[in-house]
Amino acid sequence: GAGVSQSPRYKVAKRGQDVALRCDPISGHVSLFWYQQALGQGPEFLTYFQNEAQLDKSGLPSDRFFAERPEGSVSTLKIQRTQQEDSAVYLCASSRRDGSNYGYTFGSGTRLTVV
Amino acid sequence: TQLLEQSPQFLSIQEGENLTVYCNSSSVFSSLQWYRQEPGEGPVLLVTVVTGGEVKKLKRLTFQFGDARKDSSLHITAAQPGDTGLYLCAGSTDSWGKLQFGAGTQVVVTP
Repeated sequence: GAGVSQSPRYKVAKRGQDVALRCDPISGHVSLFWYQQALGQGPEFLTYFQNEAQLDKSGLPSDRFFAERPEGSVSTLKIQRTQQEDSAVYLCASSRRDGSNYGYTFGSGTRLTVV
Repeated sequence: TQLLEQSPQFLSIQEGENLTVYCNSSSVFSSLQWYRQEPGEGPVLLVTVVTGGEVKKLKRLTFQFGDARKDSSLHITAAQPGDTGLYLCAGSTDSWGKLQFGAGTQVVVTP
């Protein structure tokens, strides 16, 4: 597609429920990042994929968070047993190669609200 | 805790005025990017700077990367209501291009 697509756009989950957030990057983009953005804050790094390899997951807040990109394209961020502090916008970004020199394309995000 | 400190946090100006947003850190970055984010959308890339002392101009926007590659500024000349948004700076310090973001500067330009 022309841009990075994220679904769903909005998700309301009851505390304790598992959720799965999907990211469709731009075709051919090697690098894929997940970020978490709290209200009024800048995005915080969660995890990074280069093709199907997860090279950095140091930003995942707890072992309830899990991300995968099995075929090097679509990625899924899964949150188990959601808590209220997980409420945030989850952003996905992709780049053809090292995006630090070329910039990243971000999706519109998934707004997760845990009630 | 944000590695990059942005100032001011909020800026409200009249159309036609100039504004400057600052992005500072104690870390050295291999590159620095500026993004603008509107409500309900993801950040949109404005510019990438990679060389210390570099100045880039994008129409009415001027971006500068500090000589030591620790800080940057964004200057908007003759601001327009369409410039309203959250301006984010983001720096990369590793070989993978992982971005560390500032908290953002909310700019509001009123007609």
